[in-house]
Amino acid sequence: EAGVAQSPRYKIIEKRQSVAFWCNPISGHATLYWYQQILGQGPKLLIQFQNNGVVDDSQLPKDRFSAERLKGVDSTLKIQPAKLEDSAVYLCASSPPGLAVQETQYFGPGTRLLVL
Amino acid sequence: AQSVTQPDIHITVSEGASLELRCNYSYGATPYLFWYVQSPGQGLQLLLKYFSGDTLVQGIKGFEAEFKRSQSSFNLRKPSVHWSDAAEYFCAVGATDSWGKLQFGAGTQVVVTP
Repeated sequence: EAGVAQSPRYKIIEKRQSVAFWCNPISGHATLYWYQQILGQGPKLLIQFQNNGVVDDSQLPKDRFSAERLKGVDSTLKIQPAKLEDSAVYLCASSPPGLAVQETQYFGPGTRLLVL
Repeated sequence: AQSVTQPDIHITVSEGASLELRCNYSYGATPYLFWYVQSPGQGLQLLLKYFSGDTLVQGIKGFEAEFKRSQSSFNLRKPSVHWSDAAEYFCAVGATDSWGKLQFGAGTQVVVTP
């Protein structure tokens, strides 16, 4: 079974530029999560999708971050414009259908973003 | 709101020695508790999880954790550490009304020496 795929693996941009990350979850997984992991901290949930609907985006900085999951499969997270403090690893995770909190979340390898 | 504290930022352990990683949580009801491991350049992998029932939970790679409600703790243990256990370990808590949202601790970095 293929795992969660993410691309690119690394990205270096200058502040005020835009950047997009892509995630393809495990086949059949209805729930998709985007996390931000700043160096020295645990992952922080940015947004959670159930199929193509948003379940929780309370911690997404909506003035600069956006995310979509148009067909309920893969997802894109965008930052525009980027700030220095956005330097982090962006993790995508997915989980099977079911009671969300009990389901195991499977994580991709992440995209490491450096904003200069 | 739930929260998780991992008191130890960094632990060094000798190969073959035992390992215990501490995790304390704050949550009003019975929490859902998880331990994840992150190797360099990798995503997080679930080691074990606790929802209810037996308070001693067995996981993968020889790890176990014990839920102690009176101490609000969910410590992770391994009797004999292997060099491949060097990684960062995260404790996380979820709530029944959270739709799967997990609150992660800051992590504990484990270094294994020969």
